[in-house]
Amino acid sequence: DTGVSQDPRHKITKRGQNVTFRCDPISEHNRLYWYRQTLGQGPEFLTYFQNEAQLEKSRLLSDRFSAERPKGSFSTLEIQRTEQGDSAMYLCASSLEAGSYEQYFGPGTRLTVT
Amino acid sequence: LAKTTQPISMDSYEGQEVNITCSHNNIATNDYITWYQQFPSQGPRFIIQGYKTKVTNEVASLFIPADRKSSTLSLPRVSLSDTAVYYCLVGLILTGGGNKLTFGTGTQLKVEL
Repeated sequence: DTGVSQDPRHKITKRGQNVTFRCDPISEHNRLYWYRQTLGQGPEFLTYFQNEAQLEKSRLLSDRFSAERPKGSFSTLEIQRTEQGDSAMYLCASSLEAGSYEQYFGPGTRLTVT
Repeated sequence: LAKTTQPISMDSYEGQEVNITCSHNNIATNDYITWYQQFPSQGPRFIIQGYKTKVTNEVASLFIPADRKSSTLSLPRVSLSDTAVYYCLVGLILTGGGNKLTFGTGTQLKVEL
């Protein structure tokens, strides 16, 4: 297994457009997380899935954001009507063990909204 | 949710031991302390996790005093490749056993020759 992968690695879009990012976790990991990171800051938690169930959402996740994990495998994060403030690195992570703080992060998708 | 405080930056030289201290005065009884490392344009990488006393793995040691209000990450004999941002976290356990990692701004470690 090559670890967590994310696609695309970079996305430039115009304000008002919709974008969708994909995350493929490590295959046996049933927990999947999305984070957002802006320059000079640590990652901020957005949402968490256990298998296909979305169990936690941050207040940072406005109604323009939606995440899915059909069949409990890959996940998608969609941002509708993008704003310049959405420009950030979007990180996906996965984990296996309950109660462990060890999460495996992907390389991220860097979004630039112009 | 316990807040963490750590130095913004540290400088060191190759071969030296580096100790990064983090304070977490409001840590809860069930909270674990975790450290992550992040290189530019990469996702964070788990380094070590502990609850109390001392934990050691192949890359680092974690020292936690009895009151658990602080912790120290120790990196033995650093090299240039250890230049990175180091985050101290006190995580929150979520429904189903997942963990909501709360990152601060981290400590930028710069290692020079």
